[in-house]
Amino acid sequence: GAVVSQHPSWVICKSGTSVKIECRSLDFQATTMFWYRQFPKQSLMLMATSNEGSKATYEQGVEKDKFLINHASLTLSTLTVTSAHPEDSSFYICSASGTGRGQSAYGYTFGSGTRLTVV
Amino acid sequence: ELKVEQNPLFLSMQEGKNYTIYCNYSTTSDRLYWYRQDPGKSLESLFVLLSNGAVKQEGRLMASLDTKARLSTLHITAAVHDLSATYFCAVDFLNDYKLSFGAGTTVTVRA
Repeated sequence: GAVVSQHPSWVICKSGTSVKIECRSLDFQATTMFWYRQFPKQSLMLMATSNEGSKATYEQGVEKDKFLINHASLTLSTLTVTSAHPEDSSFYICSASGTGRGQSAYGYTFGSGTRLTVV
Repeated sequence: ELKVEQNPLFLSMQEGKNYTIYCNYSTTSDRLYWYRQDPGKSLESLFVLLSNGAVKQEGRLMASLDTKARLSTLHITAAVHDLSATYFCAVDFLNDYKLSFGAGTTVTVRA
């Protein structure tokens, strides 16, 4: 089946530094990538949607200058948290949809998530 | 704005008994999804329901969809400890290709 590889699984960074999270679709072309944020014991909150080669569309209230999303190829999307602060600590999950062997036209494949802790 | 409501939010189950989780959504949707999330993990896809009356079953879990009532149910038969997790329903539109999630139902199965 479709697989989305997300790295790193967890990261601890100092306040003020930037952190990059990568998501790769391994056996299909991810025409659309979604980035979510999840606080403890809460649901997933969509941060942004990106289509390959286009600028990401951010949800209301999400700072586009703080959460930089790049979707330069059909298999790779990155989320960079710039000038991270403790309140950015969260669980970040990517999801991909697209076409290719193993990827249903009705499917969203989720990455394994990244636990970000800003100290 | 699409709203997705799940209930209950917390469900304490006794092993061997049957339970149902409900998922209501506010406007017509094309597809309904159920996911499972274990603590500290990402989402695991359980079911995709595409049409009115759709029913899917996997092991002790069965999901159904009533598009007219805008309601999906996730039925758990003879609960076992391994089913302890948080269950999310989500919906999307064909023309607005992004998922809207319910708040999640945290299930704890006790002996």
